[in-house]
Amino acid sequence: DAKTTQPPSMDCAEGRAANLPCNHSTISGNEYVYWYRQIHSQGPQYIIHGLKNNETNEMASLIITEDRKSSTLILPHATLRDTAVYYCIVRSIQGAQKLVFGQGTRLTINP
Amino acid sequence: NAGVTQTPKFRVLKTGQSMTLLCAQDMNHEYMYWYRQDPGMGLRLIHYSVGEGTTAKGEVPDGYNVSRLKKQNFLLGLESAAPSQTSVYFCASSAFGSYNEQFFGPGTRLTVL
Repeated sequence: DAKTTQPPSMDCAEGRAANLPCNHSTISGNEYVYWYRQIHSQGPQYIIHGLKNNETNEMASLIITEDRKSSTLILPHATLRDTAVYYCIVRSIQGAQKLVFGQGTRLTINP
Repeated sequence: NAGVTQTPKFRVLKTGQSMTLLCAQDMNHEYMYWYRQDPGMGLRLIHYSVGEGTTAKGEVPDGYNVSRLKKQNFLLGLESAAPSQTSVYFCASSAFGSYNEQFFGPGTRLTVL
């Protein structure tokens, strides 16, 4: 599975949009981009995933560049409860669903 | 639905002792996984199962064994615990199909003295 690069930490003001970048320059055609988050030592929580089109659900939006070498997770109106470590994961849709977690981005939402 | 549950929540072992961690899911998921997370690190896959009676090695399988005798349960065993196995252990499950999200349990915090 392709390797991802994320900034180690970010800050965002409550109520503003949080934009979390992820680089995955070695992504291949059959690999999806997944985002999970982990709130304070709890089990990780799935947020969203996509292949090449932008995706939106009730939690977030995922913007993937046209060349698919990077993506941005957008939390449109961040709240204090969004403070967490966010993991960007690239994985093939073939075979078992083995997730490879990097160190993620520690997002802090400030009041 | 309880989702994914893990037993126990905390455990302290002495070096050389054995124990079994239990993971249970009530979502009728085919796939189940065991991960470990060390301080300041991301999760690493230990073993996984794609169905009842099947298991496979993940990224860091040494020192662990697993069994999936029932579809809803996935057991992780430590035969002879070592201090290097001090970690938080997470179990997860997912439905059949490559796209589906994984649902994680709350974790088991294990300390080996």
